[in-house]
Amino acid sequence: QVQLVESGGGVVQPGGSLRLSCAASGFTFRSYGMHWVRQAPGKGLEWVAFIRPDGGNKIYVDSVKGRFTISRDNSKNTQYLQMNSLRVDDTAVYYCAKDNMWSFDYWGQGTLVTVSS
Amino acid sequence: DAVLTQSPLSLPVTLGLPASISCRSSQSLVHSDRNTYLNWFQQRPGQSPRRLLYKVSNRDSGVPDRFSGSGSGTDFTLKISRVEAEDVGVYYCMQGTHWPWTFGQGTKVEIK
Repeated sequence: QVQLVESGGGVVQPGGSLRLSCAASGFTFRSYGMHWVRQAPGKGLEWVAFIRPDGGNKIYVDSVKGRFTISRDNSKNTQYLQMNSLRVDDTAVYYCAKDNMWSFDYWGQGTLVTVSS
Repeated sequence: DAVLTQSPLSLPVTLGLPASISCRSSQSLVHSDRNTYLNWFQQRPGQSPRRLLYKVSNRDSGVPDRFSGSGSGTDFTLKISRVEAEDVGVYYCMQGTHWPWTFGQGTKVEIK
């Protein structure tokens, strides 16, 4: 069965950095695009970033461009989200999601990132 | 960006009765490949989102057939034919036609 397990969340000060990881299993990771989606506390869902199966193309929501970098290691079945220059409004649960039919068919359990001084 | 507007934002429902959620887009969601990438997700309390429907009306595996989707262009609807207690949660529409992908604000379904 498909499993996506995020890790790397925590508390960081404004301006700090954090790297999230998502370990995938149960499907051929190198054949699928992957996403990060976030949800601020008590708020709705926001798509953050996408990476193609071969890692050759990456797309970001405007609010994180230049600060966040999505990447993947197909040999480790893992994708990453490097987050720099973090702001208070980046506080959210970050979900890893598998791409399918220009949508997300599987989600991880999420990892909480809290940006606070 | 394609702005998705859901209504209502709160939906008190009676068990066994139908329910309906609307999702309207600020621009057509027909992709250049002629598909319409409008999806519906359910998020139960304390859980990760789960996809119910993709490309307007295609149910995911394991999704009860009381859930159905319809619509075209800019107007879409999620219908629950007979609400059950396990349907409580927040429902989101989401479009994958235009970058950046966007979600509606969410509709909270609760039992009266």
